[in-house]
Amino acid sequence: ETGVTQTPRHLVMGMTNKKSLKCEQHLGHNAMYWYKQSAKKPLELMFVYNFKEQTENNSVPSRFSPECPNSSHLFLHLHTLQPEDSALYLCASSQASGQGWGNQPQHFGDGTRLSIL
Amino acid sequence: KNQVEQSPQSLIILEGKNCTLQCNYTVSPFSNLRWYKQDTGRGPVSLTIMTFSENTKSNGRYTATLDADTKQSSLHITASQLSDSASYICVVSATSGTYKYIFGTGTRLKVLA
Repeated sequence: ETGVTQTPRHLVMGMTNKKSLKCEQHLGHNAMYWYKQSAKKPLELMFVYNFKEQTENNSVPSRFSPECPNSSHLFLHLHTLQPEDSALYLCASSQASGQGWGNQPQHFGDGTRLSIL
Repeated sequence: KNQVEQSPQSLIILEGKNCTLQCNYTVSPFSNLRWYKQDTGRGPVSLTIMTFSENTKSNGRYTATLDADTKQSSLHITASQLSDSASYICVVSATSGTYKYIFGTGTRLKVLA
């Protein structure tokens, strides 16, 4: 039980499809993150939400659209993805502080393995 | 440029042996350094976190060290077990107004019976 749940665990979609990834945390945290993990590359931070407000968007293409309706839920809406978007997408949460969010440990979900046909 | 480099990229050891993984960083200003363990098909799990003033931190058979002067950290695994087979990721947090995480590419460890 990680406290951070991601669904689905696996997703195969065509380039013209629209799908959404879901993340839910049960840890009472107020910061949530989306990461992309590709083979042999460091984790890439995509988006950060701090108290439901987006505070980071690391030049992510617009075909990825995040949504954070409350501090416990985070979505990543996908549309017209490219084959290079195939990767493991990880959600994480942590406590946020007045100085930001980097000084608190992150708790990760087990990810959604995304394959683009 | 903020970077985190880990070595070796991969490592194979026999069960019961010890091993040491390395992490060198060029991150400034430094805030803290974490080691994560990531099992295949799972998300990373935090092992240790160290701030500037801490030289060593243990978590069971895992011991992390930090030399802030040389900007190096190591993760030592004692009496390895098959369940230690995983990727180990070093993450350095920088702060300059707001915090940033810089991730290494990880070391893939395989423990054989």
